[in-house]
Amino acid sequence: GAGVSQSPSNKVTEKGKDVELRCDPISGHTALYWYRQSLGQGLEFLIYFQGNSAPDKSGLPSDRFSAERTGGSVSTLTIQRTQQEDSAVYLCASSLVSGDTQYFGPGTRLTVL
Amino acid sequence: AQKVTQAQTEISVVEKEDVTLDCVYETRDTTYYLFWYKQPPSGELVFLIRRNSFDEQNEISGRYSWNFQKSTSSFNFTITASQVVDSAVYFCALSEAPEWWGQGAQKLVFGQGTRLTINP
Repeated sequence: GAGVSQSPSNKVTEKGKDVELRCDPISGHTALYWYRQSLGQGLEFLIYFQGNSAPDKSGLPSDRFSAERTGGSVSTLTIQRTQQEDSAVYLCASSLVSGDTQYFGPGTRLTVL
Repeated sequence: AQKVTQAQTEISVVEKEDVTLDCVYETRDTTYYLFWYKQPPSGELVFLIRRNSFDEQNEISGRYSWNFQKSTSSFNFTITASQVVDSAVYFCALSEAPEWWGQGAQKLVFGQGTRLTINP
């Protein structure tokens, strides 16, 4: 079956613009996670969804970051007023249920000029 | 707080050599999960293995084997007879287990990764 998909694969934006990153989890997976991978910070957890609710947003670095999930499926990560330090690869993962093995998508490489 | 340490930043070996990637973890939980993921040059994280804290049996899958030792808080990964296709960045990760099924994030805490290069 299809794995986790993310779009776009690459995004270049100017400082101060808003961006939206999309994640399509594996069909039937109820849990969805966002992580960020950057040279300086490694792989960091951002937010977790169980169904459409987000019980753990502890990793979001600032209030410029938000995420939503609709229909228990697709999730969108929004970064407002992007800054250069937001440049990173944003990875999405899903698992059948919370606590199960997480399977990752190919990521979105965000570059903020 | 949970922490995962992969002290080896980069390893380079010649094809067919055996290589061991080290992973040391810290957690106050008695129930937890340990993982290894592979990130080839394409960038996608590929799941390799998951172990729970109650299962210390070593595991072998083809040329891959894992050694879990709670006494030293280590979960090391060995590739036997390495091949060029094994070249990648390998991440060790830790997650808590939920108090009840479905509770909590079980977010993964990753080590910094080990870049493994297998030379022909």
